[in-house]
Amino acid sequence: SAVISQKPSRDICQRGTSLTIQCQVDSQVTMMFWYRQQPGQSLTLIATANQGSEATYESGFVIDKFPISRPNLTFSTLTVSNMSPEDSSIYLCSVEGLLGGSDEQYFGPGTRLTVT
Amino acid sequence: AQSVTQLDSQVPVFEEAPVELRCNYSSSVSVYLFWYVQYPNQGLQLLLKYLSGSTLVKGINGFEAEFNKSQTSFHLRKPSVHISDTAEYFCAVSASGGSYIPTFGRGTSLIVHP
Repeated sequence: SAVISQKPSRDICQRGTSLTIQCQVDSQVTMMFWYRQQPGQSLTLIATANQGSEATYESGFVIDKFPISRPNLTFSTLTVSNMSPEDSSIYLCSVEGLLGGSDEQYFGPGTRLTVT
Repeated sequence: AQSVTQLDSQVPVFEEAPVELRCNYSSSVSVYLFWYVQYPNQGLQLLLKYLSGSTLVKGINGFEAEFNKSQTSFHLRKPSVHISDTAEYFCAVSASGGSYIPTFGRGTSLIVHP
């Protein structure tokens, strides 16, 4: 299995500012994803973080608002830019495809963001 | 594209009682089906998955689910719940044959009372 850590675990931010969330995996993985879990809603895929190239964004999400980096096979960041209260959510990092392991998808503990 | 409907947003139940959490899906292609559990302040954990083969799937913590293709359902069951089963449960579906990137339902909050 994979152990995923996210930093910060939670934060309260002012509107108009930006927050970068880090995701670290203890194993090399082929795929990393970022999800948003809004209150009372299902998980929504924001983007697939691609190593060495631009992330692949889902409909409704754009790079200017959610820039993503993935410098190697174990680390990724998601930035929530120019935040508004509507961005208040839990942001989850997820991985799939452990090298030498299963294709099961694993999730991090999430980052709980509140925008005031 | 796939979609998932979890009919119950909240299911209260007494300890040691049986429980069923309902999940229906929609897809024009063959699917993989998953149930995840999210304990308070934790990430999602895979309970069980259906990829192929037997339609009755057994998972961790005594949970099981049955894939019913004709009814497009994948209901989760446990014969006797514990207080520690109190959590949010998510049903998810993905198109078979590709990446497991799933589409999630809205979740069902299972509340186990003593």
